[in-house]
Amino acid sequence: QVQLQESGPGLVKPSETLSLTCTVSGGSITSYYWSWIRKPPGKGLEWIGYMYFSGNTKWNPSLRGRVTTSADTSKNQFSLRLNSVTAADTAVYYCARVVRYSDTSGQYYPNWFAPWGQGILVTVSS
Amino acid sequence: QSVLTQPPSVSAAPGQKVTISCSGRSSNIGNNYVSWYQQLPGTAPKLLIYDNNVRPSGIPDRFSGSKSGTSATLGITGLQTGDEGDYYCGSWDRSLGSVVFGGGTKLTVL
Repeated sequence: QVQLQESGPGLVKPSETLSLTCTVSGGSITSYYWSWIRKPPGKGLEWIGYMYFSGNTKWNPSLRGRVTTSADTSKNQFSLRLNSVTAADTAVYYCARVVRYSDTSGQYYPNWFAPWGQGILVTVSS
Repeated sequence: QSVLTQPPSVSAAPGQKVTISCSGRSSNIGNNYVSWYQQLPGTAPKLLIYDNNVRPSGIPDRFSGSKSGTSATLGITGLQTGDEGDYYCGSWDRSLGSVVFGGGTKLTVL
Protein backbone atom coordinates (compact mmCIF):
# COMPACT_ATOMS: atom_id res chain seq x y z
CA GLN A 1 0.00 0.00 0.00
CA VAL A 2 0.98 3.63 -0.41
CA GLN A 3 3.28 5.01 2.27
CA LEU A 4 4.62 8.55 2.67
CA GLN A 5 7.63 9.98 4.49
CA GLU A 6 8.41 13.66 5.03
CA SER A 7 11.97 14.97 5.19
CA GLY A 8 13.67 18.33 5.54
CA PRO A 9 15.23 20.74 8.04
CA GLY A 10 13.67 20.86 11.47
CA LEU A 11 14.74 24.47 12.05
CA VAL A 12 14.25 27.44 9.75
CA LYS A 13 15.12 31.06 10.44
CA PRO A 14 12.45 33.77 10.22
CA SER A 15 12.05 35.31 6.74
CA GLU A 16 13.73 32.31 5.12
CA THR A 17 12.16 29.51 3.08
CA LEU A 18 10.85 26.25 4.51
CA SER A 19 11.53 23.31 2.18
CA LEU A 20 10.10 19.83 2.69
CA THR A 21 10.06 16.69 0.59
CA CYS A 22 7.61 13.81 0.68
CA THR A 23 8.83 10.45 -0.57
CA VAL A 24 6.12 8.07 -1.75
CA SER A 25 6.47 4.29 -1.78
CA GLY A 26 4.04 1.60 -2.83
CA GLY A 27 2.54 3.72 -5.60
CA SER A 28 3.45 6.25 -8.25
CA ILE A 29 3.08 9.96 -7.59
CA THR A 30 1.68 10.23 -11.13
CA SER A 31 -1.36 8.18 -10.11
CA TYR A 32 -2.78 10.40 -7.40
CA TYR A 33 -3.15 13.92 -6.06
CA TRP A 34 -1.08 14.90 -3.04
CA SER A 35 -1.61 17.33 -0.20
CA TRP A 36 0.24 19.13 2.55
CA ILE A 37 -1.39 19.69 5.96
CA ARG A 38 0.12 21.16 9.09
CA LYS A 39 -0.65 21.21 12.80
CA PRO A 40 0.69 24.15 14.80
CA PRO A 41 1.43 23.38 18.45
CA GLY A 42 -1.72 23.48 20.53
CA LYS A 43 -3.91 24.11 17.50
CA GLY A 44 -5.94 22.09 15.01
CA LEU A 45 -5.11 20.92 11.53
CA GLU A 46 -4.60 23.43 8.72
CA TRP A 47 -4.79 22.45 5.06
CA ILE A 48 -1.99 23.95 2.99
CA GLY A 49 -2.98 22.75 -0.45
CA TYR A 50 -2.81 19.98 -3.00
CA MET A 51 -0.94 19.28 -6.19
CA TYR A 52 -0.67 16.91 -9.12
CA PHE A 53 2.72 16.00 -10.55
CA SER A 54 1.96 17.81 -13.81
CA GLY A 55 1.26 21.09 -12.06
CA ASN A 56 -2.47 21.23 -11.30
CA THR A 57 -2.63 22.82 -7.83
CA LYS A 58 -5.01 24.35 -5.36
CA TRP A 59 -3.78 26.25 -2.32
CA ASN A 60 -5.26 27.59 0.89
CA PRO A 61 -5.95 31.25 0.09
CA SER A 62 -4.43 32.26 3.42
CA LEU A 63 -1.07 30.96 2.18
CA ARG A 64 -1.34 31.69 -1.52
CA GLY A 65 1.65 33.60 -2.83
CA ARG A 66 4.01 32.02 -0.30
CA VAL A 67 3.71 28.41 -1.47
CA THR A 68 5.37 26.67 -4.38
CA THR A 69 5.58 23.00 -5.12
CA SER A 70 7.37 20.60 -7.42
CA ALA A 71 7.51 16.92 -8.24
CA ASP A 72 10.34 14.58 -9.15
CA THR A 73 8.86 11.54 -10.83
CA SER A 74 12.24 9.83 -11.08
CA LYS A 75 12.49 9.81 -7.29
CA ASN A 76 8.74 9.48 -6.69
CA GLN A 77 8.85 12.60 -4.54
CA PHE A 78 7.00 15.87 -4.29
CA SER A 79 8.08 18.98 -2.45
CA LEU A 80 6.75 22.04 -0.65
CA ARG A 81 8.41 25.41 -0.37
CA LEU A 82 6.95 28.07 1.93
CA ASN A 83 8.72 31.42 1.81
CA SER A 84 8.96 34.34 4.24
CA VAL A 85 8.29 32.14 7.23
CA THR A 86 7.47 33.47 10.69
CA ALA A 87 6.98 31.84 14.07
CA ALA A 88 3.36 31.26 13.07
CA ASP A 89 4.58 28.70 10.53
CA THR A 90 6.01 26.50 13.30
CA ALA A 91 4.09 23.23 13.03
CA VAL A 92 4.18 19.53 12.37
CA TYR A 93 3.92 19.22 8.60
CA TYR A 94 2.24 16.20 7.05
CA CYS A 95 2.03 15.02 3.47
CA ALA A 96 -0.95 12.90 2.47
CA ARG A 97 -2.67 11.44 -0.54
CA VAL A 98 -5.83 13.35 -1.33
CA VAL A 99 -8.96 12.07 -3.04
CA ARG A 100 -11.07 14.69 -4.79
CA TYR A 101 -14.73 14.81 -5.72
CA SER A 102 -16.50 16.72 -8.46
CA ASP A 103 -19.73 18.64 -8.15
CA THR A 104 -22.49 18.85 -10.72
CA SER A 105 -20.69 21.65 -12.55
CA GLY A 106 -17.60 19.51 -12.98
CA GLN A 107 -15.47 21.45 -10.51
CA TYR A 108 -13.11 19.33 -8.43
CA TYR A 109 -12.55 19.76 -4.70
CA PRO A 110 -10.35 17.95 -2.17
CA ASN A 111 -12.47 15.47 -0.24
CA TRP A 112 -10.48 13.20 2.06
CA PHE A 113 -6.88 12.40 2.96
CA ALA A 114 -5.30 8.94 3.31
CA PRO A 115 -2.72 7.80 4.02
CA TRP A 116 -0.66 10.39 5.84
CA GLY A 117 3.06 10.57 6.45
CA GLN A 118 4.32 10.42 10.02
CA GLY A 119 4.89 14.19 10.05
CA ILE A 120 7.92 16.38 10.60
CA LEU A 121 8.24 19.16 13.14
CA VAL A 122 9.50 22.41 11.67
CA THR A 123 10.39 25.19 14.07
CA VAL A 124 10.84 28.75 12.86
CA SER A 125 13.32 30.48 15.14
CA SER A 126 16.50 32.48 14.95
CA GLN B 1 -10.39 29.55 16.14
CA SER B 2 -11.28 26.66 13.83
CA VAL B 3 -14.01 27.01 11.20
CA LEU B 4 -15.59 23.71 12.26
CA THR B 5 -16.54 23.48 15.93
CA GLN B 6 -15.86 20.37 17.98
CA PRO B 7 -16.03 19.84 21.74
CA PRO B 8 -12.51 20.00 23.22
CA SER B 9 -12.92 16.71 25.03
CA VAL B 10 -15.23 13.77 25.60
CA SER B 11 -14.89 10.78 27.88
CA ALA B 12 -16.59 7.48 28.58
CA ALA B 13 -15.89 4.12 30.17
CA PRO B 14 -14.55 1.09 28.29
CA GLY B 15 -17.28 -0.69 26.41
CA GLN B 16 -19.51 2.37 26.34
CA LYS B 17 -20.50 4.59 23.41
CA VAL B 18 -19.45 8.16 22.72
CA THR B 19 -20.39 10.71 20.08
CA ILE B 20 -18.31 13.64 18.84
CA SER B 21 -20.07 16.53 17.17
CA CYS B 22 -18.77 18.79 14.40
CA SER B 23 -20.68 21.96 13.69
CA GLY B 24 -20.24 24.07 10.56
CA ARG B 25 -22.13 26.18 8.04
CA SER B 26 -23.90 25.84 4.72
CA SER B 27 -20.65 26.77 2.96
CA ASN B 28 -18.89 23.70 4.33
CA ILE B 29 -20.71 20.80 6.02
CA GLY B 30 -24.11 21.89 4.74
CA ASN B 31 -23.16 21.35 1.11
CA ASN B 32 -20.03 19.21 1.11
CA TYR B 33 -18.77 15.88 2.35
CA VAL B 34 -17.40 15.38 5.85
CA SER B 35 -14.44 13.21 6.76
CA TRP B 36 -13.15 12.16 10.20
CA TYR B 37 -9.59 11.45 11.32
CA GLN B 38 -8.16 9.70 14.37
CA GLN B 39 -4.78 10.72 15.75
CA LEU B 40 -3.47 8.40 18.43
CA PRO B 41 -0.60 9.68 20.60
CA GLY B 42 2.64 9.93 18.66
CA THR B 43 1.12 8.83 15.37
CA ALA B 44 -0.07 10.43 12.15
CA PRO B 45 -3.76 11.14 11.58
CA LYS B 46 -5.68 8.21 10.13
CA LEU B 47 -8.85 8.37 8.03
CA LEU B 48 -11.85 6.93 9.89
CA ILE B 49 -14.84 8.09 7.86
CA TYR B 50 -15.23 9.73 4.45
CA ASP B 51 -18.20 10.94 2.40
CA ASN B 52 -20.08 11.58 5.68
CA ASN B 53 -20.62 7.94 6.62
CA VAL B 54 -18.34 5.60 4.69
CA ARG B 55 -15.72 3.52 6.51
CA PRO B 56 -12.50 2.78 4.63
CA SER B 57 -11.42 -0.82 4.42
CA GLY B 58 -9.96 -1.96 7.74
CA ILE B 59 -11.88 0.47 9.96
CA PRO B 60 -14.07 -1.47 12.42
CA ASP B 61 -17.81 -0.97 12.34
CA ARG B 62 -17.54 0.40 15.90
CA PHE B 63 -16.91 3.71 14.14
CA SER B 64 -19.78 5.44 12.35
CA GLY B 65 -20.48 8.82 10.82
CA SER B 66 -23.60 10.80 10.11
CA LYS B 67 -24.54 14.24 8.85
CA SER B 68 -27.61 16.39 9.27
CA GLY B 69 -27.81 19.91 7.92
CA THR B 70 -24.71 21.80 8.94
CA SER B 71 -23.57 19.31 11.58
CA ALA B 72 -21.86 15.96 11.55
CA THR B 73 -21.36 13.33 14.21
CA LEU B 74 -18.79 10.61 14.78
CA GLY B 75 -19.96 7.69 16.87
CA ILE B 76 -17.73 5.15 18.57
CA THR B 77 -19.19 2.10 20.28
CA GLY B 78 -17.50 -0.55 22.40
CA LEU B 79 -14.86 1.92 23.55
CA GLN B 80 -11.37 0.57 24.08
CA THR B 81 -8.41 2.16 25.83
CA GLY B 82 -6.64 2.05 22.46
CA ASP B 83 -9.20 4.54 21.11
CA GLU B 84 -7.76 7.32 23.29
CA GLY B 85 -6.50 10.15 21.16
CA ASP B 86 -7.60 13.16 19.16
CA TYR B 87 -10.38 13.16 16.58
CA TYR B 88 -10.80 15.74 13.80
CA CYS B 89 -13.56 16.48 11.32
CA GLY B 90 -12.89 18.08 7.95
CA SER B 91 -14.84 19.45 4.99
CA TRP B 92 -14.41 21.66 1.94
CA ASP B 93 -15.54 25.25 2.45
CA ARG B 94 -16.80 26.85 -0.77
CA SER B 95 -16.71 30.38 0.62
CA LEU B 96 -13.15 30.16 1.91
CA GLY B 97 -11.94 28.05 -1.01
CA SER B 98 -10.16 25.75 1.38
CA VAL B 99 -10.44 22.52 3.30
CA VAL B 100 -11.35 23.33 6.90
CA PHE B 101 -10.93 21.18 9.98
CA GLY B 102 -12.33 21.19 13.46
CA GLY B 103 -10.10 22.04 16.37
CA GLY B 104 -10.02 18.41 17.46
CA THR B 105 -11.66 16.46 20.28
CA LYS B 106 -9.60 14.58 22.84
CA LEU B 107 -11.20 11.24 23.70
CA THR B 108 -10.46 9.77 27.10
CA VAL B 109 -11.51 6.23 27.89
CA LEU B 110 -11.83 6.18 31.67
